[in-house]
Amino acid sequence: DAGVIQSPRHEVTEMGQEVTLRCKPISGHNSLFWYRQTMMRGLELLIYFNNNVPIDDSGMPEDRFSAKMPNASFSTLKIQPSEPRDSAVYFCASSPLAGDKNTQYFGPGTRLTVL
Amino acid sequence: AQSVTQPDIHITVSEGASLELRCNYSYGATPYLFWYVQSPGQGLQLLLKYFSGDTLVQGIKGFEAEFKRSQSSFNLRKPSVHWSDAAEYFCAVGFYKLSFGAGTTVTVRA
Repeated sequence: DAGVIQSPRHEVTEMGQEVTLRCKPISGHNSLFWYRQTMMRGLELLIYFNNNVPIDDSGMPEDRFSAKMPNASFSTLKIQPSEPRDSAVYFCASSPLAGDKNTQYFGPGTRLTVL
Repeated sequence: AQSVTQPDIHITVSEGASLELRCNYSYGATPYLFWYVQSPGQGLQLLLKYFSGDTLVQGIKGFEAEFKRSQSSFNLRKPSVHWSDAAEYFCAVGFYKLSFGAGTTVTVRA
């Protein structure tokens, strides 16, 4: 299996621009998670989906952030407009709902720099 | 409230020496427990996990962890460290949602 795939791996943008991060979960996994990692706050769960439905978005920092999962094999995290404080590494993880006790498998991450 | 504590921010160990990383948690019930490793610029890789049963679990790369219910701990160990074990290690607990510790950075000296 190819594992969780994220794109782009690196993104540099200017403040105010729209940023879209993409994730392809492991085939057959029903849950998908978006995390943000910073030095100051560590790993934070932003949102997670079960069967393409958002279950908990309480970690989404503000309305500038939005996430979608239009089908079982694709999810996006969008930031509009972006701000320098959004600079971080964003991880996507997927997990099977049944079996493997919800073990999460992480992608390589997208390093976002907002200038 | 749920919390995960990794008391050691940074540990330096000599190659070939043993390693133990501590993890304590606070949770309403006994959660699922995980250890992940992150090499620089990489994602998190699952080392091992505990759901139930035998409290000593074996993982990849020669790591093991022991669950102690009375101490709410899930410490990670490796008998003999290799230079390639230099990385950041995260303890995580939960069910659908995981709470992560702040991480322990391991440096391996020759």
